[in-house]
Amino acid sequence: SAVISQKPSRDICQRGTSLTIQCQVDSQVTMMFWYRQQPGQSLTLIATANQGSEATYESGFVIDKFPISRPNLTFSTLTVSNMSPEDSSIYLCSVRAGLKGAFFGQGTRLTVV
Amino acid sequence: QKEVEQDPGPLSVPEGAIVSLNCTYSNSAFQYFMWYRQYSRKGPELLMYTYSSGNKEDGRFTAQVDKSSKYISLFIRDSQPSDSATYLCAMSQYNFNKFYFGSGTKLNVKP
Repeated sequence: SAVISQKPSRDICQRGTSLTIQCQVDSQVTMMFWYRQQPGQSLTLIATANQGSEATYESGFVIDKFPISRPNLTFSTLTVSNMSPEDSSIYLCSVRAGLKGAFFGQGTRLTVV
Repeated sequence: QKEVEQDPGPLSVPEGAIVSLNCTYSNSAFQYFMWYRQYSRKGPELLMYTYSSGNKEDGRFTAQVDKSSKYISLFIRDSQPSDSATYLCAMSQYNFNKFYFGSGTKLNVKP
């Protein structure tokens, strides 16, 4: 199984600022996924990040708000820009695990005040 | 209509009970089916994965897929307080390019 490290684990941010979340995987992976999980809710896919190409965003999510970088096969960042309290959520990085499904990081718990 | 439906619970059972967790889905193209366990303030942990119809057993856990009914289940035998968590079902088509998650069922196993 892949080991996924996410930083920071939690943060409290002022509205209008930006936060960059880092995701490091202990093995090379083609696809990395970024999810949002609001309190008591399931996972909502924000975007899929492939190394060497632009991220693919799901409906309702735009690059200006959630820019993603994928500089190599083991690392990705998600930035939450111009934050508002509605962005308070858990953000999760995930990688595909062959035919087993997906593995997740521990998540970044973001509170915007 | 959501592609994956899951009863949010909460489900409360006494220790030692058999737990049945279920999901239904609408997309017949789903080929891979997964169950995740998520403890409070943690990321989802892959518990079981199955391909197509049938049963798969792993210790106290059994995953069951009925593609004809578009229905999947997770059974937990001899449930323990440590099984208290939210259980999410997930599905994917053959290419694994996207995962579709249920809303999660919160399980509480009482000592």
